[in-house]
Amino acid sequence: GAGVSQSPSNKVTEKGKDVELRCDPISGHTALYWYRQRLGQGLEFLIYFQGNSAPDKSGLPSDRFSAERTGESVSTLTIQRTQQEDSAVYLCASSSRLEETQYFGPGTRLLVL
Amino acid sequence: GQQLNQSPQSMFIQEGEDVSMNCTSSSIFNTWLWYKQEPGEGPVLLIALYKAGELTSNGRLTAQFGITRKDSFLNISASIPSDVGIYFCAGQLSYGQNFVFGPGTRLSVLP
Repeated sequence: GAGVSQSPSNKVTEKGKDVELRCDPISGHTALYWYRQRLGQGLEFLIYFQGNSAPDKSGLPSDRFSAERTGESVSTLTIQRTQQEDSAVYLCASSSRLEETQYFGPGTRLLVL
Repeated sequence: GQQLNQSPQSMFIQEGEDVSMNCTSSSIFNTWLWYKQEPGEGPVLLIALYKAGELTSNGRLTAQFGITRKDSFLNISASIPSDVGIYFCAGQLSYGQNFVFGPGTRLSVLP
């Protein structure tokens, strides 16, 4: 597709379970970002990947959060032992390079019961 | 880390009114972006600004890169109901760095 896609659109899970969120960036974009957006709040940076460089993980809130990226394609964000405070929309964005404009996907809405 | 402030935090206006919002920082930025996020969607880029003093329009939207390079403004003329959403600014300190996002301005348009 032409834009950034994310799956699933919605995810409901029980506290303590692990979840995996997927992002497919725009083809050819070397930079990929993950953000968290709590209800009624702004964007909270989590992590970004730029080509083959080491990812910037400075925004990950705890060691329960991790992300992987395969080459310059799909990325997965994993949250282990989910907590209720993890409930939020998780947004993925990509850009042609780190310094270029970011294009966002529709987000995955995560609800931890 | 660097922070951006947006004001107002939220606003309720009548359809047809003009809207003005701004984004400020204590640091100098070399690029400003404005995004709009509608309910249930990801943010969509509206306008990008690259030079101090630059004034750029996109339909009823006009954005300016402040002369001091520490702020940016977004104006919406003759608002309509579909303008409802959250407007985010994003700034880049220098080329090659990641963008920093503001907390957003929530716009509601009353018919």
